[in-house]
Amino acid sequence: LAKTTQPISMDSYEGQEVNITCSHNNIATNDYITWYQQFPSQGPRFIIQGYKTKVTNEVASLFIPADRKSSTLSLPRVSLSDTAVYYCLVGDPGPSSYKLIFGSGTRLLVRP
Amino acid sequence: AAGVIQSPRHLIKEKRETATLKCYPIPRHDTVYWYQQGPGQDPQFLISFYEKMQSDKGSIPDRFSAQQFSDYHSELNMSSLELGDSALYFCASSTYIDRGDKNIQYFGAGTRLSVL
Repeated sequence: LAKTTQPISMDSYEGQEVNITCSHNNIATNDYITWYQQFPSQGPRFIIQGYKTKVTNEVASLFIPADRKSSTLSLPRVSLSDTAVYYCLVGDPGPSSYKLIFGSGTRLLVRP
Repeated sequence: AAGVIQSPRHLIKEKRETATLKCYPIPRHDTVYWYQQGPGQDPQFLISFYEKMQSDKGSIPDRFSAQQFSDYHSELNMSSLELGDSALYFCASSTYIDRGDKNIQYFGAGTRLSVL
């Protein structure tokens, strides 16, 4: 499984765009990049997943360069409720994949 | 929409006691996963079941065991509890289709176990 590296913490203010970059130099050909969000004392929640280029949903955008050695989660116009830990996971989501490996996530603090 | 249900939400036990955590997956989900999250730590995979068979095993102590029943709910049994077992225990579920495409797991709210 590819190891991921993310910033330990980030600060932002309400209304700003937040970009969290994840490095995954050893990503394999079949690996997808997935981001989860976790609020204190709650279970992680799936945010977005991608393989290459750009993916956008109602919550976030995910930018993946051609070499796929990194990815950037973009949260537009954050609010106080976006304060959480964000995890970048890399792995093969095939039928034989039965676990998620969480590395050290990024603690995002959104200030008023 | 129905979510993953875990019970109890909070559990206090003494050292060397036993504990049983229950997980009820989202309807029609056939796979359950158990994770442990210690204070200030990241979630760690313990064990998973697909169609009532163990599908993968992580860093689960020998004192712990788990199973998935015919109705797909799962129970995590923990014996000879130690102070270090104090943690949040999350259950997640998914379907074969989810796993084959995105491997998205849906997590419950967790059980907070405190061992005194």
